[in-house]
Amino acid sequence: GQNIDQPTEMTATEGAIVQINCTYQTSGFNGLFWYQQHAGEAPTFLSYNVLDGLEEKGRFSSFLSRSKGYSYLLLKELQMKDSASYLCAVRDPSTDKLIFGTGTRLQVFP
Amino acid sequence: ETGVTQSPTHLIKTRGQQVTLRCSSQSGHNTVSWYQQALGQGPQFIFQYYREEENGRGNFPPRFSGLQFPNYSSELNVNALELDDSALYLCASSLETGGGYGYTFGSGTRLTVV
Repeated sequence: GQNIDQPTEMTATEGAIVQINCTYQTSGFNGLFWYQQHAGEAPTFLSYNVLDGLEEKGRFSSFLSRSKGYSYLLLKELQMKDSASYLCAVRDPSTDKLIFGTGTRLQVFP
Repeated sequence: ETGVTQSPTHLIKTRGQQVTLRCSSQSGHNTVSWYQQALGQGPQFIFQYYREEENGRGNFPPRFSGLQFPNYSSELNVNALELDDSALYLCASSLETGGGYGYTFGSGTRLTVV
């Protein structure tokens, strides 16, 4: 089966660091994506990992371990505008579809 | 560079009716995928079109069908609407299949079936 797990909700304080974890069990793997989605808006691309290791892009970093079926998204210097849902998705190589988790709703407080 | 645009933004239909949702791909993108996102859930893959041919399908019944046109715009058609079809429908375009970066999502069509 295909299974993507991530926490449902997280809270953090402005200026802090937060790590959102994602574990996956899929029949195939061709990359892992992180998207940010504000309520009522389109998911926007944050990061893509296909090899093990850390990808850094400004305040956002994403890590992948294929052997453990594990990824995390690290958000530094949190801002109020970072309050959103964060979606972890694995690409299935046979169909090219993205298999999404349910998303993690992050609330940033002052 | 324009993004992905979807129409309409909101729609209310009655159970049993048919609906057509539209998507204009980002300029230069030749692949389009459709996803259904129920409230509080992640998007679920419906199907993908590449150069006007269906190129992968998720676990959705045949009453969900689609088209891709020569300009790479796309339609999602749903027949015999059911209450559970109420969801946000997202279109995502990309350049070729298997790309590493380029799934650009539209803002979606919010469909309510009553």
